[in-house]
Amino acid sequence: DTEVTQTPKHLVMGMTNKKSLKCEQHMGHRAMYWYKQKAKKPPELMFVYSYEKLSINESVPSRFSPECPNSSLLNLHLHALQPEDSALYLCASMEGSLGTDTQYFGPGTRLTVL
Amino acid sequence: GENVEQHPSTLSVQEGDSAVIKCTYSDSASNYFPWYKQELGKRPQLIIDIRSNVGEKKDQRIAVTLNKTAKHFSLHITETQPEDSAVYFCAASNRDDKIIFGKGTRLHILP
Repeated sequence: DTEVTQTPKHLVMGMTNKKSLKCEQHMGHRAMYWYKQKAKKPPELMFVYSYEKLSINESVPSRFSPECPNSSLLNLHLHALQPEDSALYLCASMEGSLGTDTQYFGPGTRLTVL
Repeated sequence: GENVEQHPSTLSVQEGDSAVIKCTYSDSASNYFPWYKQELGKRPQLIIDIRSNVGEKKDQRIAVTLNKTAKHFSLHITETQPEDSAVYFCAASNRDDKIIFGKGTRLHILP
C-alpha cells in the first residue's frame, strides 16, 4: 500500500462547529505532515509529527489542533474556524528524511467555512 | 530561515517546445531540492528531485540542474505535451523534516 488517504474529501462547516480531518498511511512512515493550501498558492506547512510526537508547529492558531493517535493515523481537529480558513488541507508522510526519501501527499480535504 | 524564489509565475510554450523554470534559494545549508507538479484539484506529485551532491539529474523528458555556488536550480521539460499543463512548485529543504516551497509556475502548453 503506497497511498496516503484522507477523509472526508469535502467538508462544509459553520464557524461554531467542531469537526475533524483524518489522514491514514500504512507504509510504516515515521513522519506525518499537515499542510494548508489556498488557491493558486503553494502548500503551507502547519504541523509535523515524527514517531507520533509533534516535532514542528508553524505557529498555527489554536483553533487547529493536531493529534497522532498511532503511527498510521493523523487527525486535525477544527473548532471555531474563520471563513479565511477555507482551503485545501493536505496530509503527507515520509519514511526517513528529506535528504534520502520522498514525501507522499494525500488527495486533500477541501474545507469551506461559512 | 530559508526563502525560495521561483520564476516565471506563468509560462506558455508551444507543444513540442521546451520549458524552463528557475528557482533560487537563500540557505546554503539546503541539501534537497524537489519539484512538484499539481494539476487542478489534485494533490502535489513529486516529479523529480536532486540532492546537493549531484549537479544534474534526468528522467525521460524532465531534467533538473543545481548550481550550489549560485544557489539556484532549474527544471527543464523537453518536447512538451498537453498533459504537462499544470502548476509546478520548486522546493528546498534545509533541515530533515521541513520543505520550503516556491510560489509556483503555471505552465500552459499551447496547441
